[in-house]
Amino acid sequence: QVQLQESGPGLVKPSETLSLTCSVSGGSITSNSYYWGWIRQPPGKGLEWIGTVYYSGYTSYNPSLKSRVTISVDTSKNQFSLKLSSVTAADTAVYYCARHLGGTWRRAFDYWGQGTLVSVSS
Amino acid sequence: EIVLTQSPGTLSLSPGERATLSCRASQSISSTYLAWYQQKPGQAPKLLIYGASSRATGIPDSFSGSGSGTDFTLTISRLEPEDFAVYYCHQYGSSPGTFGPGTKVDIK
Repeated sequence: QVQLQESGPGLVKPSETLSLTCSVSGGSITSNSYYWGWIRQPPGKGLEWIGTVYYSGYTSYNPSLKSRVTISVDTSKNQFSLKLSSVTAADTAVYYCARHLGGTWRRAFDYWGQGTLVSVSS
Repeated sequence: EIVLTQSPGTLSLSPGERATLSCRASQSISSTYLAWYQQKPGQAPKLLIYGASSRATGIPDSFSGSGSGTDFTLTISRLEPEDFAVYYCHQYGSSPGTFGPGTKVDIK
């Protein structure tokens, strides 16, 4: 059973960089050609796809965030990470990591982390 | 970007009743690329349906999905107490992948 767990600071100051890591257990991040994604949800609101990474280093980002987002993968640690720069209060959200079902980014998300709340405030 | 609209915003029903949730896309989507998720308070979304009509692992057959083009439907044939939650549709065929705003199914 694949499990995902987000980790990182719960509070980030405006204009700084939000950094989160997703640790994958129960399977290798390189197995079966899975793609891995980040999704966020502002309090009381809907879901927004942030971006997706493949273990080879391929990435795809939401154009609305592309200028500020970097997603990377560390196969030795079985982890992938999110960096979001120049954050504002509008970036306050629960951040989820998740796995795409199947060997392409054009798949639903079948496994999700529990989510981590990141607040942007001075 | 494909915009997904869900209706109704809130659906108030009693246990045992049938729930019909709608998801409409701003442009045609291949049915291969439409999913439904259930989210309960404080929890991550849970995949129910992918490919418009395929149930995810462990999802009971009381949940069914249908539709094509721009109109998709999630049906819960008989509501159980644990089914009261928020439901989101998600298109992942066109980048960026987008989610609908959700339909809340609450107890009448």
